[in-house]
Amino acid sequence: GDSVTQMEGPVTLSEEAFLTINCTYTATGYPSLFWYVQYPGEGLQLLLKATKADDKGSNKGFEATYRKETTSFHLEKGSVQVSDSAVYFCALSDQGAQKLVFGQGTRLTINP
Amino acid sequence: KAGVTQTPRYLIKTRGQQVTLSCSPISGHRSVSWYQQTPGQGLQFLFEYFSETQRNKGNFPGRFSGRQFSNSRSEMNVSTLELGDSALYLCASSLSTGGLHYEQYFGPGTRLTVT
Repeated sequence: GDSVTQMEGPVTLSEEAFLTINCTYTATGYPSLFWYVQYPGEGLQLLLKATKADDKGSNKGFEATYRKETTSFHLEKGSVQVSDSAVYFCALSDQGAQKLVFGQGTRLTINP
Repeated sequence: KAGVTQTPRYLIKTRGQQVTLSCSPISGHRSVSWYQQTPGQGLQFLFEYFSETQRNKGNFPGRFSGRQFSNSRSEMNVSTLELGDSALYLCASSLSTGGLHYEQYFGPGTRLTVT
């Protein structure tokens, strides 16, 4: 079945550092790919998405490119802030279904 | 527009009991999905309802059930609670009518503790 594997955390960085969180997927069809963020005590928020190969999703300085050849969707940000501290989840949905398959999550802590 | 609301936010139950969790979707959203979040298993899809019909189901035992009402509000029920059912249960709603994936908007979750 479909699955998502993402970089294990926790990840700790200093403010203004460059961030990469790796995500790879396995799917039989042509999935849509997502990054969600979860702040403490809250539900998930969609950060960005890409629906087909070579699409780049971006939001709030975060970017991820849908790479079909490497089945990857790595999350990057050029300069992180303390407010970016949260848990990040990579996810996919297959062929238009609402069901999301999530990776294990990566806890990110940014120190001032 | 109000977001997805879930009630109650926190719940403590004893093994063997049953529990019902409620989710009110964003106005106009007819699709409601439920997820279980645990430290060990992460986020797992439970089921999705659309227009009062279960449209998709995850790999959970029959103790987990749900339903959706005509106003799109949804409930999920867990019978014969086990310690392993302790989790954050998240509800998400979307505009999906089928065929395309629509953005899901998540509620804050219900934290269930089974003792």
